[in-house]
Amino acid sequence: DAGVIQSPRHEVTEMGQEVTLRCKPISGHDYLFWYRQTMMRGLELLIYFNNNVPIDDSGMPEDRFSAKMPNASFSTLKIQPSEPRDSAVYFCASSYRGDYTDTQYFGPGTRLTVL
Amino acid sequence: AQSVTQLDSQVPVFEEAPVELRCNYSSSVSVYLFWYVQYPNQGLQLLLKYLSGSTLVKGINGFEAEFNKSQTSFHLRKPSVHISDTAEYFCAVSRAGGFKTIFGAGTRLFVKA
Repeated sequence: DAGVIQSPRHEVTEMGQEVTLRCKPISGHDYLFWYRQTMMRGLELLIYFNNNVPIDDSGMPEDRFSAKMPNASFSTLKIQPSEPRDSAVYFCASSYRGDYTDTQYFGPGTRLTVL
Repeated sequence: AQSVTQLDSQVPVFEEAPVELRCNYSSSVSVYLFWYVQYPNQGLQLLLKYLSGSTLVKGINGFEAEFNKSQTSFHLRKPSVHISDTAEYFCAVSRAGGFKTIFGAGTRLFVKA
């Protein structure tokens, strides 16, 4: 089975540009999570969805960040405008309530560099 | 609310030596506990999990962890490490069935030849 797919794997952009990160969860999973990982702050939960509905976005740093899940197989995390402090690795993870274990399956991440 | 503390940020160890990575958690409700491993330039993957029942949990790659409710700990152990175990290890906790998972800061295990 294919795991969680993220694109692009690497993104280099200039300050002020819009950045869109994409995620395809594992088929059949009903939870989707977006995380950000930096050396300084570790792994931070940004937002998570259940059945395509945002449940908790309290980790989204500010209004420049937005996330959508238009259907069960696709989600985006958008940063507009981007700033150098947004440089990090962004992970998407998915989970299936039906296995009653809370196990999350992570994608390979997108390494974002904002110059 | 739940929280998790990993007591060591880095653990250097020689190959074939035993290792223990320490994790403490706090919660006022029943929890699930996890250890995830992250190899360089990869996402996290599940190493093992404790949901209920036996307090000794065995995972992949020869790792095991013991749930200690009285000490609110979930330490990870391996009797003999390999070079390939060099990675970052994350302890995590969730309210049982709550799905939102809190991750620790990570422990970087460095295995030396």
